[in-house]
Amino acid sequence: GIQVEQSPPDLILQEGANSTLRCNFSDSVNNLQWFHQNPWGQLINLFYIPSGTKQNGRLSATTVATERYSLLYISSSQTTDSGVYFCAVYGMSYGQNFVFGPGTRLSVLP
Amino acid sequence: ETGVTQTPRHLVMGMTNKKSLKCEQHLGHNAMYWYKQSAKKPLELMFVYSLEERVENNSVPSRFSPECPNSSHLFLHLHTLQPEDSALYLCASSQEARTLEAFFGQGTRLTVV
Repeated sequence: GIQVEQSPPDLILQEGANSTLRCNFSDSVNNLQWFHQNPWGQLINLFYIPSGTKQNGRLSATTVATERYSLLYISSSQTTDSGVYFCAVYGMSYGQNFVFGPGTRLSVLP
Repeated sequence: ETGVTQTPRHLVMGMTNKKSLKCEQHLGHNAMYWYKQSAKKPLELMFVYSLEERVENNSVPSRFSPECPNSSHLFLHLHTLQPEDSALYLCASSQEARTLEAFFGQGTRLTVV
């Protein structure tokens, strides 16, 4: 099945700093999503981005499907951005499940 | 509020108990999913339902029994669980199975004692 890697595994930032999170995947995909898991466990949809670039406030994401990676940019980070960021993909091969990466744990310090 | 609601939010049960987790989606989606998230492990897909039919079962032990009475509701019936089944159980829905955007509920944090 498709493999998903995320880097870095852990990231500590000072409030106001910018960061880039990376997601690499091993096969062609027809769905890629970025999620933020808050301290209570809920997965919040950030972006549905199988290809291209999207922006939502301080967050933006870019997926280069041909090179099998996606990037999540967080600008002017805030303490409320802390949590775990997951990317998840569906492979184009029939029967592949929605596979989650291991996540990046972000801590934003005041 | 994502349109997917799970109850209860927290559950503590003994190994001999029987309990059920409930998920309801208000998005008009046709596919629903159960995921398990254990400490320090990636999210694992357990079951996929499309139009109330089970289309995926990822070698989940029979002590977990899903039920999808209609496209808006999904249950996970639990019986004779083990302590290692303690985890966060997440429900999700999407317009169709295996495609398009998935939305998750708040999760049920289960502790088996």
